[in-house]
Amino acid sequence: AQKVTQAQTEISVVEKEDVTLDCVYETRDTTYYLFWYKQPPSGELVFLIRRNSFDEQNEISGRYSWNFQKSTSSFNFTITASQVVDSAVYFCALSKVSGTYKYIFGTGTRLKVLA
Amino acid sequence: NAGVMQNPRHLVRRRGQEARLRCSPMKGHSHVYWYRQLPEEGLKFMVYLQKENIIDESGMPKERFSAEFPKEGPSILRIQQVVRGDSAAYFCASSPDRSGGTFEKLFFGSGTQLSVL
Repeated sequence: AQKVTQAQTEISVVEKEDVTLDCVYETRDTTYYLFWYKQPPSGELVFLIRRNSFDEQNEISGRYSWNFQKSTSSFNFTITASQVVDSAVYFCALSKVSGTYKYIFGTGTRLKVLA
Repeated sequence: NAGVMQNPRHLVRRRGQEARLRCSPMKGHSHVYWYRQLPEEGLKFMVYLQKENIIDESGMPKERFSAEFPKEGPSILRIQQVVRGDSAAYFCASSPDRSGGTFEKLFFGSGTQLSVL
């Protein structure tokens, strides 16, 4: 069975601090996709990144970076120099590569960035 | 190219009434997924449909909930005899046919917030 665990329910940081959101997953599949989404207070889901399991290269996009460690089944997300606009709930998700593409979501981490 | 359209954005129902939530997938997408987000929780998969077919309904409650995706028109998530526990945000997502190329991601709508009084 597939499972995604986001152990951090809520994190508060002061603006300009770096923050890492943890994501640990379980799957028996040898290939799979991992995702991060942002849900701001307005409620919509904003796509941030998709990672193929066979591509272990870490990725950086501006202030965002992702660390994929297949050996520990983790896909952590770091925001550098956090800003108030980063305040949101962040979801990690897992899907199969073939068959249905339904996502298995983690329970989310609420990030509060204080001015 | 319009994104996934969900309506209504907000829906208020009294206990015992029916709720109908609509989802129009992105143009060219023939796969629809419904998710439910209870307050302060993550999104839970409900059902996956292709045109005129339910492919995976493993996340659907056994009673009162049904979904369809007709040949013409939007996908409908129907909740009969709503109860307070049905209050949640319901998200729809779509994806193209696999013949359309490499899967990139699901495209999500803005959700329908259902409130049951």
